[in-house]
Amino acid sequence: AQSVTQLDSQVPVFEEAPVELRCNYSSSVSVYLFWYVQYPNQGLQLLLKYLSGSTLVKGINGFEAEFNKSQTSFHLRKPSVHISDTAEYFCAVSDRGGGNKLTFGTGTQLKVEL
Amino acid sequence: DGGITQSPKYLFRKEGQNVTLSCEQNLNHDAMYWYRQDPGQGLRLIYYSQIVNDFQKGDIAEGYSVSREKKESFPLTVTSAQKNPTAFYLCASSMGGFVRNQPQHFGDGTRLSIL
Repeated sequence: AQSVTQLDSQVPVFEEAPVELRCNYSSSVSVYLFWYVQYPNQGLQLLLKYLSGSTLVKGINGFEAEFNKSQTSFHLRKPSVHISDTAEYFCAVSDRGGGNKLTFGTGTQLKVEL
Repeated sequence: DGGITQSPKYLFRKEGQNVTLSCEQNLNHDAMYWYRQDPGQGLRLIYYSQIVNDFQKGDIAEGYSVSREKKESFPLTVTSAQKNPTAFYLCASSMGGFVRNQPQHFGDGTRLSIL
């Protein structure tokens, strides 16, 4: 069984500042990793995914994440945020054993302020 | 445009009633999923189906039921046995039910409230 920990429930940041949203996972097998974004009263949209290969993954809207196997982390970063990045961000993991079941973290609310 | 349609967007239920949430996809995806979202708890898997006429319980299946008679449809029934049904319900789908690493695509959700 897997688990995902997003330690920061809320992250306030000023516009044009850099941001990092933290994600740590626990699994006894190899995993695939995902970040999703959710705007108010909407579904989730895929930001990026790590399946294999390069540990630095680039996604949409200027976001990127780095897979660190030794630290079991998959932190999300953006060098300069915009007010439109205000949303909730979810880290998710699925194991490579079969199927596409996702285990989600509890989410981080990113609030970008002027 | 291909996508997932959930209806209705808002739903109200009286205590003791069953209610069915609709989820339709035109992405030709084999697998479909139902999640429940509560504030501060992330998404929790209720049921999933990797192929037509087959479905499996997720982590919180008690008080819910599903059917998968058609590839494009995966309705969720919230029964009167579900003691705390007020939540935001999200439907998702992915390609190739038994193929790994496929990302899930989500609908815009249904918000269920108890009157």
